[in-house]
Amino acid sequence: DVQLTQSPSFLSASVGDRVTITCRASQVISSYLAWYQQKPAKAPKLLIFAASTLQSGVPSRFSGSGSGTEFTLTISGLQPEDFATYYCQQLNTYPPITFGQGTRLEIK
Amino acid sequence: VQLVESGGGLVQPGGSLRLSCAASGFTFRTYSMNWVRQAPGKGLEWVAYISDSSRTIYYAASVKGRFTISRDNAKNSLYLQMNSLRDEDTAVYYCAGDPDTPMKRVFDSWGQGTLVTVSS
Repeated sequence: DVQLTQSPSFLSASVGDRVTITCRASQVISSYLAWYQQKPAKAPKLLIFAASTLQSGVPSRFSGSGSGTEFTLTISGLQPEDFATYYCQQLNTYPPITFGQGTRLEIK
Repeated sequence: VQLVESGGGLVQPGGSLRLSCAASGFTFRTYSMNWVRQAPGKGLEWVAYISDSSRTIYYAASVKGRFTISRDNAKNSLYLQMNSLRDEDTAVYYCAGDPDTPMKRVFDSWGQGTLVTVSS
């Protein structure tokens, strides 16, 4: 199984900040890496797929990068609506399809 | 694009439940479909996958042998039959669609979720 480890698990930041979340895979996963945003009591929302492709309708302040085993999600200029939990997911080697444990982003 | 789950509820340990997911607004028959669950206060856990034609099916180890995923492309519907339910199956269950092409392999559509509570 491919294990995904996100860091940090918890992040405190202010509106306007630039933040980066890292997702490390236990083995090479090509570029089938996605990022999702989830707000309380809501379904996850796709932000980034193929490691760096922005999903239609997602603000350009979100960006993704990386390859192989290390990937990052960057939010440039945090907005109040960005405070949520973020998950990475790999769809390169399955089953099982795996998610990272999540990174909770809170307002400082 | 809309996915609407139904069928959740309270069930005793050892019991059964069948979840449904009704799809609209996209070409359901071309999408692979998945069930993903989230236990209270926990992260996302993939549960099961079914290809567009139902030819390929996968399960998470935690549900294999107890859960069955199926679909009816004529009805634009996805199902999850859950048997021998355990306390640890308590979660919100989401259906999620995946275009599953070389250019796009990702869960790009999600339902709102349905809560399954396993308790005596």
